[in-house]
Amino acid sequence: QVHLQESGPGLVKPSQTLSLTCTVSGGSITSGNYYWNWIRQSPGKGLEWIGYISHNGRTYYSPSPRSRMTISLDTSKNQFSLKLTSVTAADTAVYFCAREGAMDAFFDSWGQGALVTVSS
Amino acid sequence: QPALTQPASVSGSPGQAITISCSGTSSDVGVYDYVSWYQQHPGKAPKLIIHDVSKRPSGVSDRFSGSKSGNTASLTISGLQAEDEADYYCSSYTSSTVRYVFGTGTKVSVL
Repeated sequence: QVHLQESGPGLVKPSQTLSLTCTVSGGSITSGNYYWNWIRQSPGKGLEWIGYISHNGRTYYSPSPRSRMTISLDTSKNQFSLKLTSVTAADTAVYFCAREGAMDAFFDSWGQGALVTVSS
Repeated sequence: QPALTQPASVSGSPGQAITISCSGTSSDVGVYDYVSWYQQHPGKAPKLIIHDVSKRPSGVSDRFSGSKSGNTASLTISGLQAEDEADYYCSSYTSSTVRYVFGTGTKVSVL
């Protein structure tokens, strides 16, 4: 049973960079054919898919934050990370990491989520 | 980004059946059989309970069932139990570049 856990600062100042890491246990992020996703949930709003990285490092980002986003793999630590630059209050959200089978269209494992607040 | 429309809340008594609707468009729910449903208890990770419109992952109770008609998908919880009290979200693959669109969420209360 794969387990995902987000970690990172809970408070980021406007215009700075949000950085989160998802640690995967119970399976290697490079084995199997999976996409490793980031999904966020803003306060009072719904869920928003923002991007993924595949097991071989290919990335795909949602158009909205695309120019500000980078998702990367750290295979030595079995982790993948999200960096979002030039944040504003609109980026305040609970950020989830989630696994998706490359031949599937659903997220079968999720982390518990990490609340990131953008505030000075 | 546009969201799938769900009722804000649905309630029922223990043992009853309830249905949650998820209204989309011809770019998502109406064209793809890739609707999934997630259950989220407060402070917990979302849990996949239905995928591909009506398929249940291993270990998910058969009290949960899914269906679709046109641009609207539905989740039915039969034999409602106290543990079913949670938020429920639908999701659909979409032809747009955002890949997935999610529902607005439904809070299920067990009376």
